[in-house]
Amino acid sequence: QKEVEQDPGPLSVPEGAIVSLNCTYSNSAFQYFMWYRQYSRKGPELLMYTYSSGNKEDGRFTAQVDKSSKYISLFIRDSQPSDSATYLCASYNNNDMRFGAGTRLTVKP
Amino acid sequence: DAGITQSPRHKVTETGTPVTLRCHQTENHRYMYWYRQDPGHGLRLIHYSYGVKDTDKGEVSDGYSVSRSKTEDFLLTLESATSSQTSVYFCAISVMEQETQYFGPGTRLLVL
Repeated sequence: QKEVEQDPGPLSVPEGAIVSLNCTYSNSAFQYFMWYRQYSRKGPELLMYTYSSGNKEDGRFTAQVDKSSKYISLFIRDSQPSDSATYLCASYNNNDMRFGAGTRLTVKP
Repeated sequence: DAGITQSPRHKVTETGTPVTLRCHQTENHRYMYWYRQDPGHGLRLIHYSYGVKDTDKGEVSDGYSVSRSKTEDFLLTLESATSSQTSVYFCAISVMEQETQYFGPGTRLLVL
């Protein structure tokens, strides 16, 4: 079993839709949770960063962590074609960073 | 890209040959990392460094070695490349805390 599981998609939505991306993790020791965005043939870029449980909002993006169910979510409001990318979730604790395999998102105009 | 460059950006090599990939940062960050990215597996940590000459293994370190003789450079070496090492290799640095990592542009390696 992978430490972090993520549905690979692909996920296709119309412009303006609300997008929900999700991951689960197995190691209860993870304390930090991140979302990265990766455009085709580019390096991942850090999008959101959360410590422990709770919500964090940044513009159209909301990251949510539920440690009781080991569930990580990223919501994108008013999605734009420029949001089309692969989204990677990640969990970290004590020198151990684990990534999900990524969900490929396409936002159609 | 947080001031990270990787070289070469693309490489094709043959099985059994040694390969060295270079990661260079411009801002003297302490922690540097090497990952590989493969379809279905996401990013997996190969090795990381927490200072000059200080390195440790990651999740998939077999077949790889690293060196860090200067703060700004972190080298990844495949002593004898195999086809299973065909991948995209990313270098990363931690800017403040280890959990916030920033990635370079990647090196695409094809081992024939």
